[in-house]
Amino acid sequence: DTAVSQTPKYLVTQMGNDKSIKCEQNLGHDTMYWYKQDSKKFLKIMFSYNNKELIINETVPNRFSPKSPDKAHLNLHINSLELGDSAVYFCASSQDWRVATTQYFGPGTRLLVL
Amino acid sequence: RKEVEQDPGPFNVPEGATVAFNCTYSNSASQSFFWYRQDCRKEPKLLMSVYSSGNEDGRFTAQLNRASQYISLLIRDSKLSDSATYLCVVNAFQTGANNLFFGTGTRLTVIP
Repeated sequence: DTAVSQTPKYLVTQMGNDKSIKCEQNLGHDTMYWYKQDSKKFLKIMFSYNNKELIINETVPNRFSPKSPDKAHLNLHINSLELGDSAVYFCASSQDWRVATTQYFGPGTRLLVL
Repeated sequence: RKEVEQDPGPFNVPEGATVAFNCTYSNSASQSFFWYRQDCRKEPKLLMSVYSSGNEDGRFTAQLNRASQYISLLIRDSKLSDSATYLCVVNAFQTGANNLFFGTGTRLTVIP
């Protein structure tokens, strides 16, 4: 009965490749997020979607493209991977983007670009 | 300037000790405050919300000082299982949505 799940858990790939990370939540939440946690453990928001609509798009290279087919899913596609993309990517969800409620995180996807 | 600043530690304390973490935030309009806990190679999880009047949850006490834009977390009677990174989290309303900003975390190791 995992609340927020992500696949894959680990991803090792070469520079220049394109890869996708999938996220699903079964909490019935309206809002989902992608965060990046770098080697210094700094957790920074990348995108936020509410009921399939983009509401936050921080300064992220346009090689990163989120897609939300429905409110329970938020996938992240990354084109032309670079060394600096190596990080842990966390998906999260919360009940309502309009208020700062608890966010529930997935287990993370550890991406290593060689 | 970062939205949230924390002392990264590490804090190494013996079992049973009391330890306190501090955090400052830059946006005076922030309304919601939290402490999250992140274990090694795991996802962050909510430890507790921080209320204006201060609040306690078992061995954990959180305090908020809005005037100084300062948040604290006190852990009493430390257990080995408290070893983790503690993230100070503050909301800010930006680009039409409530956005949570995370500090870089304070690492705690409780030693037997």
